[in-house]
Amino acid sequence: DVKVTQSSRYLVKRTGEKVFLECVQDMDHENMFWYRQDPGLGLRLIYFSYDVKMKEKGDIPEGYSVSREKKERFSLILESASTNQTSMYLCASIQAGSGDTEAFFGQGTRLTVV
Amino acid sequence: AQSVSQHNHHVILSEAASLELGCNYSYGGTVNLFWYVQYPGQHLQLLLKYFSGDPLVKGIKGFEAEFIKSKFSFNLRKPSVQWSDTAEYFCAPMPHNTDKLIFGTGTRLQVFP
Repeated sequence: DVKVTQSSRYLVKRTGEKVFLECVQDMDHENMFWYRQDPGLGLRLIYFSYDVKMKEKGDIPEGYSVSREKKERFSLILESASTNQTSMYLCASIQAGSGDTEAFFGQGTRLTVV
Repeated sequence: AQSVSQHNHHVILSEAASLELGCNYSYGGTVNLFWYVQYPGQHLQLLLKYFSGDPLVKGIKGFEAEFIKSKFSFNLRKPSVQWSDTAEYFCAPMPHNTDKLIFGTGTRLQVFP
């Protein structure tokens, strides 16, 4: 019954490392999102993609990039990890369009940068 | 800029009390509206949604929400909460012309027996 899978539940990385967070969905959704969740700040949108090789910046894209080479996979890249990127990262996918739809979320990746 | 406001950051209730969590959004166009819930240690899951039709929508576990277009609001309600409702609740509008799901800062609900 798994719909959105994030490759890691917990990660610990060193400052300056390049970090890849992977997300795969099995529902053939066009739209995929990366959020970070911090206490008191809710979910903030980092990047989203509405098609293969298409991406748009969200509210907090600085320090991040994304890749979407295949429809089912959306990767978040931290080019040079910093301690202020320690957070819970959530991937979501949703069917495009304005009809009856909902977003499905992965379990999240808790990233600690030391 | 588009935004969503959840007025209550932390709510503490006793079991059987009634609950209302406020949500207002700033986007003026047509939106889909969602409430998501995150139980401790679990992933986000859909509580209820509105996309058209009857503005009073019912979700899982006895929750309901009312869309009031003139007030740009989508408040969540439950007549009688249970200890198992302890969780964090997120309101999320999705404007039709962007397909971008925007989240509020969340409301942490604690229910005591």
